[in-house]
Amino acid sequence: AQTVTQSQPEMSVQEAETVTLSCTYDTSESDYYLFWYKQPPSRQMILVIRQEAYKQQNATENRFSVNFQKAAKSFSLKISDSQLGDAAMYFCAYRSAGNTPLVFGKGTRLSVIA
Amino acid sequence: EAGVAQSPRYKIIEKRQSVAFWCNPISGHATLYWYQQILGQGPKLLIQFQNNGVVDDSQLPKDRFSAERLKGVDSTLKIQPAKLEDSAVYLCASSYDGLPPDTQYFGPGTRLTVL
Repeated sequence: AQTVTQSQPEMSVQEAETVTLSCTYDTSESDYYLFWYKQPPSRQMILVIRQEAYKQQNATENRFSVNFQKAAKSFSLKISDSQLGDAAMYFCAYRSAGNTPLVFGKGTRLSVIA
Repeated sequence: EAGVAQSPRYKIIEKRQSVAFWCNPISGHATLYWYQQILGQGPKLLIQFQNNGVVDDSQLPKDRFSAERLKGVDSTLKIQPAKLEDSAVYLCASSYDGLPPDTQYFGPGTRLTVL
């Protein structure tokens, strides 16, 4: 079974600075997808960014980018120019090819300091 | 486009009582998921539907949990009788069966407290 590990329970960053959240995963599959979701106190899971394993190019969405290292099974999220609204729980998730459920890590709580 | 709707947002019950949660997915999304998120953990799948058929319910505690998706649209998740360890947030998600990666979109969740 696939597993996702987020080794940083909590992180903090100064407003306007850059922070990187770590994620590693374990799988024997070659075709899969990786996601970062944000969960603010409202509990709504919001998709931040996604990466297809077959793509070598790292995904980027505005201030959010990933460092996808397939051989190392690593998928970190970089948030640039951090804003107060970025404060939330961040979950890394794995999904096999096909219409399959997500496997989540335990999350990293990000605080943004003004 | 309307998002995934869930109700109620909050529910407090005593152990051994029953409770039901409702989910309305995004229009046109054939696949619906129910996840359970215990405090301090990531969500875990309870059951997956495709249209009105069950794809995966291997993680559903079938002695007390049941779920249905009549007509392949709305879904209801029921717990009967509830236990203290069922206190959690119940998240519903849906996805469109099109080209991958078929992103899952989540509802706001229902926070259940069992006393």
